[in-house]
Amino acid sequence: AAGVIQSPRHLIKEKRETATLKCYPIPRHDTVYWYQQGPGQDPQFLISFYEKMQSDKGSIPDRFSAQQFSDYHSELNMSSLELGDSALYFCASSSLAFKDRVQETQYFGPGTRLLVL
Amino acid sequence: QKEVEQNSGPLSVPEGAIASLNCTYSDRGSQSFFWYRQYSGKSPELIMFIYSNGDKEDGRFTAQLNKASQYVSLLIRDSQPSDSATYLCAVRGGGFKTIFGAGTRLFVKA
Repeated sequence: AAGVIQSPRHLIKEKRETATLKCYPIPRHDTVYWYQQGPGQDPQFLISFYEKMQSDKGSIPDRFSAQQFSDYHSELNMSSLELGDSALYFCASSSLAFKDRVQETQYFGPGTRLLVL
Repeated sequence: QKEVEQNSGPLSVPEGAIASLNCTYSDRGSQSFFWYRQYSGKSPELIMFIYSNGDKEDGRFTAQLNKASQYVSLLIRDSQPSDSATYLCAVRGGGFKTIFGAGTRLFVKA
């Protein structure tokens, strides 16, 4: 079965540079979530999109922005990178179609490992 | 106080034993509860989800939810060395935001 695709899988940047992470959800999934997971930390919710509109916002820094496109893929843009941005960035997708909202489950992609030097 | 609390462990059990993982949450409006398994450097993998009080069983896994006590647990029967991983409890309210606990590291000794 098709899974969530994230690219790139690994990324090395220097401080103050910009990075763009991409997420391709499972086909027919309409919702995308972004999470940041630092070493030894739990995944922190950043932002989510449902049907190409931002649906919820978590602890996403102002230096970051994201959007979901007409084909449902999503991009996380990170500017003025800081050393503390080094982490695993996960995208997850889900489908609300024909489901009770309570039963919606998220499926995670393999993640993008970002290292800021 | 964190919104979702888990004992960080490590929890060590012998092969074949029952592993019991616990999670408490602070938001009484929480509606959906998830258990994910995460191997080091890998993405979280959904094990179970539950949204009604009581028990839900799937193979060797049983999730238990008690909304009055704001408590959710995961039991793993006949634990195997391949079950050794970090288990993340996740909680969602009425919106899209999902809060994860810090995870419990489980070691199953052969």
